Amino acid sequence: EIVMTQSPATLSVSPGERATLSCRAGQSVRSSLAWYQQKPGQAPRLLIYGASTRATGIPARFSGSGSGTEFTLTISSLQSEDFAVYYCQQYNKWPVDFGQGTKLEIK
Amino acid sequence: QVQLQESGPGLVKPSGTLSLTCTVSGGSISSSNWWSWIRQPPGKGLEWIGEIYHSGSTNYIPSLKGRAIISLDKSKNQYSLKVNSVTAADTAVYYCAKNGDTGGWFDPWGLGTLVTVSS
Repeated sequence: EIVMTQSPATLSVSPGERATLSCRAGQSVRSSLAWYQQKPGQAPRLLIYGASTRATGIPARFSGSGSGTEFTLTISSLQSEDFAVYYCQQYNKWPVDFGQGTKLEIK
Repeated sequence: QVQLQESGPGLVKPSGTLSLTCTVSGGSISSSNWWSWIRQPPGKGLEWIGEIYHSGSTNYIPSLKGRAIISLDKSKNQYSLKVNSVTAADTAVYYCAKNGDTGGWFDPWGLGTLVTVSS
């Protein structure tokens, strides 16, 4: 098991501002890192895989960076629909592991 | 595009067996892909349960200690999850999801179905 630690647990940001979410892996996962967005009552939606590749249909304001143990999800200009819970997930080592999530809320 | 939909009983008695089916549309379950089950206890994070390949090969999370079985029904384009000896700790929203074509991410996901373990 690889422990995935996301910070902060809750992030308060105003619409139009930038949000930066962090994910730290307990050991190197190379670039095998995905990010998901989950809104209340909905399934998670893939945003980023390979640490920095946007999934199909994901707006360009979402970007991922990092490798090894430190990763960042940046949302450049927050829209109302971006307020949700975000999860990171490593898939470098079996079994895959998810972080505990960061809740992005409106300030 | 591929879509997934979970189905099955929403209430299971303690020590009973949880049984769920994922119906795949817009694509063939016989394609060269892994298909997974993931669960989320109420108000908590995500836990990968296991996966099945189009050939029938399976992998499971060790913490389930052999209680889970995933199987394929190619004739119905479905795959299923059974978890036996359930307890309240198995109460969760259960999602089926397609593994990434070239990696271990998940996309797309089904809508999810809540399974409650209670007498």
